[in-house]
Amino acid sequence: QKEVEQDPGPLSVPEGAIVSLNCTYSNSAFQYFMWYRQYSRKGPELLMYTYSSGNKEDGRFTAQVDKSSKYISLFIRDSQPSDSATYLCAMGGGAQKLVFGQGTRLTINP
Amino acid sequence: GAVVSQHPSRVICKSGTSVKIECRSLDFQATTMFWYRQFPKQSLMLMATSNEGSKATYEQGVEKDKFLINHASLTLSTLTVTSAHPEDSSFYICSASPDWGKFFGPGTRLTVL
Repeated sequence: QKEVEQDPGPLSVPEGAIVSLNCTYSNSAFQYFMWYRQYSRKGPELLMYTYSSGNKEDGRFTAQVDKSSKYISLFIRDSQPSDSATYLCAMGGGAQKLVFGQGTRLTINP
Repeated sequence: GAVVSQHPSRVICKSGTSVKIECRSLDFQATTMFWYRQFPKQSLMLMATSNEGSKATYEQGVEKDKFLINHASLTLSTLTVTSAHPEDSSFYICSASPDWGKFFGPGTRLTVL
């Protein structure tokens, strides 16, 4: 079993839709959780970074962490074609190393 | 957020040559940097942790004699792919941060002919 599981998609939704991206994990030692956006042939860009269970909102993006269920989500409201990218969840513990999900390829259709 | 740069962005080399990739933290000091490799349509795989002033820590299965890492200053880490072969062709990305290694460089695409 992988430490972090993420559905690779691809996921295709119409412009304006709410997008839900999810990851599950097995290591209860993970303390912090991140979502990255990666455009083709570019380095990952940090979108959201959370420590605790609950919700964190930043503009159209909401990150949700449920440590009891070992489940994290990223919601994108009012999705735009420019949101089309691969979204990677990542998490880590005290050793500073990050463990990544496989990434979900998202396409927003105009 | 913090800025991490990489150079070169793209390199094409012949099989058997060595290639050096630089990773710099531009607006902060980083005692620790991380090197990842990413194959097409796959996630990032951690190769090694680069520690300023000491030896790098390599992940299982990564050949330390092939992928030489030098972290000579608090703002620069280098990855040298020695005697590169076509199977080393990949996207190499570094990350660094004032704390958790959260910010990534733009990546270096290596193609070995």
